[in-house]
Amino acid sequence: EPEVTQTPSHQVTQMGQEVILRCVPISNHLYFYWYRQILGQKVEFLVSFYNNEISEKSEIFDDQFSVERPDGSNFTLKIRSTKLEDSAMYFCASSLQGATATNEKLFFGSGTQLSVL
Amino acid sequence: KQEVTQIPAALSVPEGENLVLNCSFTDSAIYNLQWFRQDPGKGLTSLLLIQSSQREQTSGRLNASLDKSSGRSTLYIAASQPGDSATYLCAVIRNTPLVFGKGTRLSVIA
Repeated sequence: EPEVTQTPSHQVTQMGQEVILRCVPISNHLYFYWYRQILGQKVEFLVSFYNNEISEKSEIFDDQFSVERPDGSNFTLKIRSTKLEDSAMYFCASSLQGATATNEKLFFGSGTQLSVL
Repeated sequence: KQEVTQIPAALSVPEGENLVLNCSFTDSAIYNLQWFRQDPGKGLTSLLLIQSSQREQTSGRLNASLDKSSGRSTLYIAASQPGDSATYLCAVIRNTPLVFGKGTRLSVIA
């Protein structure tokens, strides 16, 4: 079964550093998402991306975050200047149609655990 | 703002027992509800998706029901096995792609 791939699985960085989290969505999918889960808390929506632009973002997704689809296969999340509170598991997801389409499932990657020291 | 609550937060059962996990949501105007499984330190595996027009979905030993008017869904697991031990998350979709509950952590004891 096709799957969403995320790299790296773990990332440790110093506060104030930039990090880029990488994702390879399922090849024929058109909609891409980033979610995060702080330890012990709910999975939270960050941003959705379609047709090379952000279609929706949450209040968490402030100016320090950006997303990009640099080529036909990768989807990246950049955090410009990391803070301690950015430490979380970051999940990438993709879907063929938009999340609100009937019977549309989101497929998630296994996540990148980001630790900001 | 949509809120999703899952009860209980944790559940421990002996192997072979049938069990029910509960999910409630505050805004009943949803499009879909999706149940996921999350193993420790791992990603989210989709188990079942129920469209808003459906009442239930089945996959193997899993059965999910949806009562949209009352804002509730249940996940029924038949004949539980130690391999079912994981956290089970429900998530609803309306305007924002997937609003998650905090999950129920299930332990099945051999």
